Amino acid sequence: AQTVTQSQPEMSVQEAETVTLSCTYDTSESDYYLFWYKQPPSRQMILVIRQEAYKQQNATENRFSVNFQKAAKSFSLKISDSQLGDAAMYFCAHQGAQKLVFGQGTRLTINP
Amino acid sequence: GAGVSQTPSNKVTEKGKYVELRCDPISGHTALYWYRQSLGQGPEFLIYFQGTGAADDSGLPNDRFFAVRPEGSVSTLKIQRTERGDSAVYLCASSFQGSTEAFFGQGTRLTVV
Repeated sequence: AQTVTQSQPEMSVQEAETVTLSCTYDTSESDYYLFWYKQPPSRQMILVIRQEAYKQQNATENRFSVNFQKAAKSFSLKISDSQLGDAAMYFCAHQGAQKLVFGQGTRLTINP
Repeated sequence: GAGVSQTPSNKVTEKGKYVELRCDPISGHTALYWYRQSLGQGPEFLIYFQGTGAADDSGLPNDRFFAVRPEGSVSTLKIQRTERGDSAVYLCASSFQGSTEAFFGQGTRLTVV
């Protein structure tokens, strides 16, 4: 079975600074995807960034980037130049066959 | 439609009652997923449809939970004899066949009193 662990229930960062959210996972699958989703108070899960496990290059989307360490089964999210609109719950997720397996989430607060 | 639509947005029901939660996926999306998110937790998988058939229902917690997608578009999650422990946000997502990008609705918050 796949598991995803987020060890930071809450994180905070000053506006314009950089913050890193941690995620580790366990899987028996050789081909899989990893995701970071953002969930604002509206409850809708919004895809932030995606990483294919077979790709060694870390994914980047504007201010968001990941540090994917396949051997260590680690998948952290770095948010640069944090903005007030980044405040939300962040969930790390693994996808093997079809379904997503989510971590417990990290609540990110941005301090102005 | 423009996005995944879930109705109702909020539902309060009494213990023991029957409820139906509706999901209207993005037009053309053949894959549809239901997840349940308890307070303070990440979403947990319930069931996955490919077209009209349930390809994976391994996440349904017990036989009080059932879901259908009769025409391959709209799906209904049905919960019989609701219990207080069923209180959660029920999220629906859809995607194109073979795509790894799932689009989520805003969920239905179910409260059983």
